[in-house]
Amino acid sequence: KAGVTQTPRYLIKTRGQQVTLSCSPISGHRSVSWYQQTPGQGLQFLFEYFSETQRNKGNFPGRFSGRQFSNSRSEMNVSTLELGDSALYLCASSLGGTAWNEQFFGPGTRLTVL
Amino acid sequence: DQQVKQNSPSLSVQEGRISILNCDYTNSMFDYFLWYKKYPAEGPTFLISISSIKDKNEDGRFTVFLNKSAKHLSLHIVPSQPGDSAVYFCAASGVGSEKLVFGKGTKLTVNP
Repeated sequence: KAGVTQTPRYLIKTRGQQVTLSCSPISGHRSVSWYQQTPGQGLQFLFEYFSETQRNKGNFPGRFSGRQFSNSRSEMNVSTLELGDSALYLCASSLGGTAWNEQFFGPGTRLTVL
Repeated sequence: DQQVKQNSPSLSVQEGRISILNCDYTNSMFDYFLWYKKYPAEGPTFLISISSIKDKNEDGRFTVFLNKSAKHLSLHIVPSQPGDSAVYFCAASGVGSEKLVFGKGTKLTVNP
């Protein structure tokens, strides 16, 4: 079974631009979550989607948004990029819909904002 | 406010010995706990999990213990191997939530 895939793996953008990251979950998984990892803050939860609906949201500004498609694939968008948005963005998928779901992570997208 | 704490930034053990990684949490609403292993510039790899209805779960060389009254969990790796060298993250989630709250990680080094 293929794992979680994320594209692109690396991105370089400049301040003020916007970026879209993509995540394909494990087949059969309906929940997709996004996390930001930085050296200072560690791994922080951005939001979670289940059956195309955002179920949970972390403490990030409105510049961070996402969506999920009917095939469970998800995209994350960051608008008006800031230097502090440079981070490893990780996507995780799980079955969802039941208690105690193991989440499996993709390799991440390394975003650098210049 | 850090709800999941891994107080040891690093741990060094000899090959073949036991590695014990510790994690404390403050939120009594957490009911599911997971351990991940991570290499730099890669996504975390799921290792083992435990729900709040258990106090122990084993999978091969990995065992996780949960002490709910102390709000403490630990990961035991026996025997430790050089390939286990990585950063280990403890994570927790609440009832019915997929949101994972992570600790800051413990860097494990297993020396040959």
